[in-house]
Amino acid sequence: SQTIHQWPATLVQPVGSPLSLECTVEGTSNPNLYWYRQAAGRGLQLLFYSVGIGQISSEVPQNLSASRPQDRQFILSSKKLLLSDSGFYLCAWSKGHTSSYEQYFGPGTRLTVT
Amino acid sequence: SQQGEEDPQALSIQEGENATMNCSYKTSINNLQWYRQNSGRGLVHLILIRSNEREKHSGRLRVTLDTSKKSSSLLITASRAADTASYFCATRGSQGNLIFGKGTKLSVKP
Repeated sequence: SQTIHQWPATLVQPVGSPLSLECTVEGTSNPNLYWYRQAAGRGLQLLFYSVGIGQISSEVPQNLSASRPQDRQFILSSKKLLLSDSGFYLCAWSKGHTSSYEQYFGPGTRLTVT
Repeated sequence: SQQGEEDPQALSIQEGENATMNCSYKTSINNLQWYRQNSGRGLVHLILIRSNEREKHSGRLRVTLDTSKKSSSLLITASRAADTASYFCATRGSQGNLIFGKGTKLSVKP
């Protein structure tokens, strides 16, 4: 069966510090991968998606970047965090990129920028 | 850009009652999905309904789709305290990918 992992689960970082969040998927190959951010009590904002190794699409210009160094690894990074980067970050995977495919979510990372 | 919009934003009911949540969308779709999110957790897929389907059931869940009104509803029958969660609809965005609404926060009181 497929599983998706995210770490860390929670993170408190000062403004201006770097960020690296990691997501890995097990039990499937060539997944489509997604990073979302969810502000408190709000919906999901798609940040990045990837349909293959080294292929990253950005949905919203911002202070973050993403990389996919391996087939089942997706990393979200920032060189200098802003207060507005605080939120709940969710990684997800799907078998296909269109809306016909359901997405499977990781447990999320709660990021607080102080 | 926002595609699906759920209403109400929040819903509070007693255990045993039915809960109905609605989703409206703007453009044509091939299908519509509903997800559930427990507080502080990831989303879990509940059900997918295709554009040529009008109603679909899964356990205590009943989803309807009205493509002429561009709307869908999620009904949870005989609700339980464990159903307390946020519920999201998801539809096709302009790039063909899946995009999520802002969700309905359901509270079921024992």
